[in-house]
Amino acid sequence: SAVISQKPSRDICQRGTSLTIQCQVDSQVTMMFWYRQQPGQSLTLIATANQGSEATYESGFVIDKFPISRPNLTFSTLTVSNMSPEDSSIYLCSVTGTRSYNEQFFGPGTRLTVL
Amino acid sequence: QQQVKQSPQSLIVQKGGIPIINCAYENTAFDYFPWYQQFPGKGPALLIAIRPDVSEKKEGRFTISFNKSAKQFSLHIMDSQPGDSATYFCAAKWMGGSEKLVFGKGTKLTVNP
Repeated sequence: SAVISQKPSRDICQRGTSLTIQCQVDSQVTMMFWYRQQPGQSLTLIATANQGSEATYESGFVIDKFPISRPNLTFSTLTVSNMSPEDSSIYLCSVTGTRSYNEQFFGPGTRLTVL
Repeated sequence: QQQVKQSPQSLIVQKGGIPIINCAYENTAFDYFPWYQQFPGKGPALLIAIRPDVSEKKEGRFTISFNKSAKQFSLHIMDSQPGDSATYFCAAKWMGGSEKLVFGKGTKLTVNP
């Protein structure tokens, strides 16, 4: 499976600020996704990061709040904008497998706390 | 609307026991069913997956049983060990669709020594 890294691994931010999370993959992948996992909860898909075009957002998530970039096949960023304490979560990058398109692999996550 | 229902929410077994985690789905278009294992502070790791053309799949101590008519699938962990203590998530997707995974709510498994 691809090796996925995320930066930062954790951060504590003030209300009203923004944080950009980076996801780097060691090989070219077709699809990249961003998920949110609130404390003790399941995973919720925020958006699919499309290379060379706008991300596709899930219901309840909007581009102004969670702008996403994907400049190439190995890198993506998710920005959490104008943060509030309700944004405190783990944010996870996920990619489809290179051997099997059906498989999805997750990065280690970014633990965000908003004060 | 939750499309994948997972139970139980938590499970405690003794070492060597066989914990069973169950999931039920609603969307008959789903045709790929993975299980993920997540340790605290880590991202979910793909454990094992099944497609509906088989009723059972084994990988090491982990087995998925699949009942297409009942729209249910389950994870069995043979000879469970304290190192298996983690949260387990079932998921489902439609391979002909957007590749979007729908997750169950998770089961926190504790294996006591």
